[in-house]
Amino acid sequence: SQELEQSPQSLIVQEGKNLTINCTSSKTLYGLYWYKQKYGEGLIFLMMLQKGGEEKSHEKITAKLDEKKQQSSLHITASQPSHAGIYLCGAGVPDKLIFGTGTRLQVFP
Amino acid sequence: DAGVIQSPRHEVTEMGQEVTLRCKPISGHDYLFWYRQTMMRGLELLIYFNNNVPIDDSGMPEDRFSAKMPNASFSTLKIQPSEPRDSAVYFCASSLGGPLHFGNGTRLTVT
Repeated sequence: SQELEQSPQSLIVQEGKNLTINCTSSKTLYGLYWYKQKYGEGLIFLMMLQKGGEEKSHEKITAKLDEKKQQSSLHITASQPSHAGIYLCGAGVPDKLIFGTGTRLQVFP
Repeated sequence: DAGVIQSPRHEVTEMGQEVTLRCKPISGHDYLFWYRQTMMRGLELLIYFNNNVPIDDSGMPEDRFSAKMPNASFSTLKIQPSEPRDSAVYFCASSLGGPLHFGNGTRLTVT
């Protein structure tokens, strides 16, 4: 079965700093999804990547999928307190979505 | 669009009791998913439906768990009898085959 591993598990950064979260799959990804979760709330969809080498950006968040479609990274530029939360990557297999273990991000002033 | 609606938001029950969680998907979505989230195991897929038909229930932990989708606008997840290890946040999500839209979850505590 396919597994997703995220790193780091937890990240604490100062406001304004850049950061990167990684997601590695045990198998080729048919579709890679990034979600954000705030405490006590559901998951909010951020971006979806499907093609090898694809890169998408939304505001200060950029996600990339490598050419082999087994690894994705999420990069946040000039982090803000509003970026704090849990980031999860999800893989389509293909109709259902499995998720990584998540990366907890804290941003302090 | 009201999004995916789950009820109740919080449920506290005693071991052995029956628990029913409810979900109303986004209108028009033909996929519905039930997930469970815990600190130890993260977000686990329990079961998913397509056009009201259960497609994959391999994630349902035991026979104590059952899920139904009697129509396109309603689904339930039932636990009978409940046990303390069932304590978790249960999420419902719906989609058209692409990105999932999640509800805010039901936090279940079994004492």
